[in-house]
Amino acid sequence: KNQVEQSPQSLIILEGKNCTLQCNYTVSPFSNLRWYKQDTGRGPVSLTIMTFSENTKSNGRYTATLDADTKQSSLHITASQLSDSASYICVVSADYGGSQGNLIFGKGTKLSVKP
Amino acid sequence: NAGVTQTPKFRILKIGQSMTLQCTQDMNHNYMYWYRQDPGMGLKLIYYSVGAGITDKGEVPNGYNVSRSTTEDFPLRLELAAPSQTSVYFCASSYLERINEQFFGPGTRLTVL
Repeated sequence: KNQVEQSPQSLIILEGKNCTLQCNYTVSPFSNLRWYKQDTGRGPVSLTIMTFSENTKSNGRYTATLDADTKQSSLHITASQLSDSASYICVVSADYGGSQGNLIFGKGTKLSVKP
Repeated sequence: NAGVTQTPKFRILKIGQSMTLQCTQDMNHNYMYWYRQDPGMGLKLIYYSVGAGITDKGEVPNGYNVSRSTTEDFPLRLELAAPSQTSVYFCASSYLERINEQFFGPGTRLTVL
């Protein structure tokens, strides 16, 4: 069964600290992996998209890594800010053909950054 | 560009009532999607559309209907609301569906009592 598991479920860190969020997946055949940021009461906003051949992709203070062999991804946040408080969702796309893309969403990691 | 807009933002329905959730995008995206997000759960795809006049079921389509008469609009219809449809509904759109990112609307929080 295609699944996306994220850990930890929630995380509290102090402003200025770094943190790493984990995503493990069992989706096959793999097409791409995306990280989204979802502020409370808002829709998800894309941070990064990685295909099979990409190991690392950065977007400002956000750096995502992908190990397609172990089916693991991580999202590293550097020098956290209060505005980083949000849920971070890992989404894996299965390549079954057709137009839907077959996105499998993780449940998200809820990050709280405290002053 | 306004991006993806959804109305209403909040709605309370009684069991058996019907309503339409509106979704509009101004990015000329071909692909549009409806998701629901239950508390503590990942988003689930309800319906999607690859262009005007073409729609297809996602993972959880029961109890919903959609139409796509224009590129811009993709309304979601609930005919007989049930408590199990209490959720937050997100509309999204994308251009090249497989690789490019999906742009999400702000969501509609629906409660069925």
